[in-house]
Amino acid sequence: QSVLTQPPSVSGAPGQRVTISCTGSSSNIGAGFDVHWYQQLPGTAPKLLIYGNTHRPSGVPDRFSDSTSGTSASLAITGLQAEDEADYYCQSYDSSLSAWVFGGGTKLTVL
Amino acid sequence: QITLKESGPTLVKPTQTLTLTCTFSGFSLSTSGVGVGWIRQPPGKALEWLALIYWDDHKRYSPSLKSRFTITKDTSRNQVVLTMSNIDPADTATYYCAHFREAAAVFPDYWGQGTLVTVSS
Repeated sequence: QSVLTQPPSVSGAPGQRVTISCTGSSSNIGAGFDVHWYQQLPGTAPKLLIYGNTHRPSGVPDRFSDSTSGTSASLAITGLQAEDEADYYCQSYDSSLSAWVFGGGTKLTVL
Repeated sequence: QITLKESGPTLVKPTQTLTLTCTFSGFSLSTSGVGVGWIRQPPGKALEWLALIYWDDHKRYSPSLKSRFTITKDTSRNQVVLTMSNIDPADTATYYCAHFREAAAVFPDYWGQGTLVTVSS
């Protein structure tokens, strides 16, 4: 059971918009710790997608964005493309556990 | 350009001690605010943070695994070593090392390619 809760899967057609939620608690997201998002393509290492609230590393298209409210965060992907099919993970810090925590991951399928 | 690469055995027997090495380039672990950590991913499962070592040699461990792990650094060789004792089949996973970026709470930004470790007799 992950400290951060994500839906196991989401799907969308090319060109559509999808969102992936990440639900935490008052000791992580709710405490103000940044949420970061990673994309893991099949058979590869995770890649930083968004960090520190809406910052994108060089090369990440602006089709990817995030938002945070209370104890939850969301990743939004607009203009879905086949290459977006991957697993997505949220990550934050938990002060009660004194640990870096990840969500359980969400598999995005592009129909 | 920051790069990291993990190395170590691919097959380990239960109860043995596993030693993994992360060799990195493009940054120095003597730079203030920087850290290198280990994260693992069992086949088909989620990511799990294991350990982190900071530039000042401060160390942090996952509370649930703390007693079995030791993380050390060799700044001159640009290496970080993770040692896990009393290995169990449940430790079968891909192990990643990552550069942790300076922030209010540091976070992994660059990852190695990972190394798959199978624990089996």
